[in-house]
Amino acid sequence: AQKVTQAQTEISVVEKEDVTLDCVYETRDTTYYLFWYKQPPSGELVFLIRRNSFDEQNEISGRYSWNFQKSTSSFNFTITASQVVDSAVYFCALRSGGGADGLTFGKGTHLIIQP
Amino acid sequence: SQTIHQWPATLVQPVGSPLSLECTVEGTSNPNLYWYRQAAGRGLQLLFYSVGIGQISSEVPQNLSASRPQDRQFILSSKKLLLSDSGFYLCAWSVLGRGNTGELFFGEGSRLTVL
Repeated sequence: AQKVTQAQTEISVVEKEDVTLDCVYETRDTTYYLFWYKQPPSGELVFLIRRNSFDEQNEISGRYSWNFQKSTSSFNFTITASQVVDSAVYFCALRSGGGADGLTFGKGTHLIIQP
Repeated sequence: SQTIHQWPATLVQPVGSPLSLECTVEGTSNPNLYWYRQAAGRGLQLLFYSVGIGQISSEVPQNLSASRPQDRQFILSSKKLLLSDSGFYLCAWSVLGRGNTGELFFGEGSRLTVL
């Protein structure tokens, strides 16, 4: 069985602060993919990034960065210099192997950026 | 480019009434299609997925059903709604195969309130 844990239910920071969203996953497969999605108040889930289990390089995209560590089964997401528009619910997700049976999502972290 | 649309966006239905939510994908062929439900304050739960016309896999036993009458059309139905069916329903698509790693792309969502 696979599982994704996002222990932080809600995080509130003041604008321009850096914030890290934690994600811990469990899987028995050696090949898997990790994802982050953003859900703004409108409700639609927006795909942010995908990471393969065989590629542990961290990635930076503008103010966003992702830290993938297989040793701790973690795939954390950091927003630098947060902005009010970053306020949303963020989901971490996992897909194992080559199956078509969708992604396993964590329960999400509600990020509130206060002006 | 690929697009996905689902409707209606908002629905208020009495207990015991039928339900039909529709989702269509454009710009791709033979996609995998998914229905997820997000209950208030909770994560995303996979309800159904389909790898082809007429092929439906159910993840959670319930009074909901899904059908795929055409390659890019996915329908979520119920004959008699329950109060517990209230939630935010999201349709998604993905393409698996060489060069595709299975990230999901979501529709705008349908908010169902059962009274």
